[in-house]
Amino acid sequence: AQSVTQLDSQVPVFEEAPVELRCNYSSSVSVYLFWYVQYPNQGLQLLLKYLSGSTLVKGINGFEAEFNKSQTSFHLRKPSVHISDTAEYFCAVSRSGANNLFFGTGTRLTVIP
Amino acid sequence: NAGVTQTPKFQVLKTGQSMTLQCAQDMNHNSMYWYRQDPGMGLRLIYYSASEGTTDKGEVPNGYNVSRLNKREFSLRLESAAPSQTSVYFCASTDRAGAWREQYFGPGTRLTVT
Repeated sequence: AQSVTQLDSQVPVFEEAPVELRCNYSSSVSVYLFWYVQYPNQGLQLLLKYLSGSTLVKGINGFEAEFNKSQTSFHLRKPSVHISDTAEYFCAVSRSGANNLFFGTGTRLTVIP
Repeated sequence: NAGVTQTPKFQVLKTGQSMTLQCAQDMNHNSMYWYRQDPGMGLRLIYYSASEGTTDKGEVPNGYNVSRLNKREFSLRLESAAPSQTSVYFCASTDRAGAWREQYFGPGTRLTVT
């Protein structure tokens, strides 16, 4: 079975500072990994995903994530955050052949002016 | 192109009452999903429909039923609501079945059961 751990429930960061949101997964088989973002009072939308190939994945809004198989991690990074990045971020995992995703518990990113 | 729409946006029920949450998508997607979101627990899959005419249980199906009415619509029914079903419910869709597909989410239904 797959599971996802998001190590930080809340991350405050000043505007224009870098940020890293951490995600670790557990699975004994090949996985697909995702980051979704949820802005206040909205549904989730996809930021980026790793299916195969290059371990550095670039997404929308300047975010990127690196797949590290040896550390079973898929951390999300942005070099300089904006106020508009304030949202909740969810890491999710699935495996080849499956139809469903398993989500982490979320990290609330708050960008401070 | 509205994407994924959900009705109602908010609902308050008394214990034991029933209701149906409606979801529709206008993207011609084949697969649809129902999730619940609870504080500190992320999203958990209740049911999904890989294609029209099929439905399957997810992680937390107890207390719920679903109907894939047609390709566009996927409803979630609570036959006898319980306080443990207080949650935010999200519907999502993908163009085809498969975990690698991008899921498109609706805005959610906030349900309170008293």
